[in-house]
Amino acid sequence: GPKVLQIPSHQIIDMGQMVTLNCDPVSNHLYFYWYKQILGQQMEFLVNFYNGKVMEKSKLFKDQFSVERPDGSYFTLKIQPTALEDSAVYFCASSLAGGRAEQFFGPGTRLTVL
Amino acid sequence: GDSVTQKQGQVTLSEDDFLFINCTYSTTTYPTLFWYVQYPGQGPQLLLKVTTANNKGISRGFEATYDKGTTSFHLQKASVQESDSAVYFCAHTGGADRLTFGKGTQLIIQP
Repeated sequence: GPKVLQIPSHQIIDMGQMVTLNCDPVSNHLYFYWYKQILGQQMEFLVNFYNGKVMEKSKLFKDQFSVERPDGSYFTLKIQPTALEDSAVYFCASSLAGGRAEQFFGPGTRLTVL
Repeated sequence: GDSVTQKQGQVTLSEDDFLFINCTYSTTTYPTLFWYVQYPGQGPQLLLKVTTANNKGISRGFEATYDKGTTSFHLQKASVQESDSAVYFCAHTGGADRLTFGKGTQLIIQP
């Protein structure tokens, strides 16, 4: 089936540094999402993105977070500066139609902030 | 607010056993309900989706009924196989363009 890729699979950085998580969504999809999963807890919605804009963000999407997809390339999540509580697995998803349509997920990026 | 509850963190069965994974949801809107399955090293994959109350979703031998009265969407399978070992997530949209997930249930099938 359609695949979403995420690069890198693991990232270890020092607190206060900047990190960019990359997502290569399904090629004809128009809606993009980031979710965060802390070990042992449920996956939680961070943000959705359509037509070059953030449509909705949760309270977990702090001011230090930003997303973009310049010129149809990777859909990125940038955290600057990072904090210890940002350690988690971040999942990217994309869908063709948004709303109630199926979201296709990548394998996740495990971020460890030291 | 929106929430999904999966009470079972882990379920251990033998091959050919009956599977039941509990899921209840809470939302103020009219949700679409999902079951996602996650295998090691992969992202969650859609297993079932039901958009209409009282309808049943069926896929790969798994089924779940959207019960608006009890706000439940329990997952069942008559006879599990070792290949069904994975983590199963119940989720809903809550009418918005985002998924609200349960904590997940790890299914372990012993050969």
